[in-house]
Amino acid sequence: GNSVTQMEGPVTLSEEAFLTINCTYTATGYPSLFWYVQYPGEGLQLLLKATKADDKGSNKGFEATYRKETTSFHLEKGSVQVSDSAVYFCALSDQDAGSARQLTFGSGTQLTVLP
Amino acid sequence: GAGVSQSPSNKVTEKGKDVELRCDPISGHTALYWYRQSLGQGLEFLIYFQGNSAPDKSGLPSDRFSAERTGGSVSTLTIQRTQQEDSAVYLCASSFRTGNYEQYFGPGTRLTVT
Repeated sequence: GNSVTQMEGPVTLSEEAFLTINCTYTATGYPSLFWYVQYPGEGLQLLLKATKADDKGSNKGFEATYRKETTSFHLEKGSVQVSDSAVYFCALSDQDAGSARQLTFGSGTQLTVLP
Repeated sequence: GAGVSQSPSNKVTEKGKDVELRCDPISGHTALYWYRQSLGQGLEFLIYFQGNSAPDKSGLPSDRFSAERTGGSVSTLTIQRTQQEDSAVYLCASSFRTGNYEQYFGPGTRLTVT
């Protein structure tokens, strides 16, 4: 079956630090990959996505590259802000024809950015 | 436009009682998904609807859980004879249809079983 493994948290960084949150996956086919973010008191929001190998998803200064050879989709940001404090979830959806494309999530990584 | 809405936002119930959780998807979205977010299990998929049909119910944790969708819109997740392990945040998401379309999540219903 499909699974997602992401870096254990919590992660605490100072403002303007470099962020990496590791994510690796196991899938039977060629899934689409996602990063979702959950800000305090809010619902899950899509941050970025990539649908095929070597695609790079980017949004709000965050980037992640779909690496088929290492089955990874690590999230990076060059300079974090206090407003980036949130829980980040890596996820995949099946590409099989007829699939419901439900999301399989990692366990989430709590990020706290200090001023 | 309006996003996905869920009600109630919080529900506290006694063990053994039945509860109903409601999801209103984005207008025009034919696919609807239910997920559960709990401390022990993380975020897990429960069931999806394409239109009013739920082709695969194998993600539901037990036969105490059921879901329906009427008119291709509102969906209700029902938990009968609630147990303490049912305590979690229940999330609903909708998308234009099943397939490679973005899922938009609601704010969730926090269920506490005492």
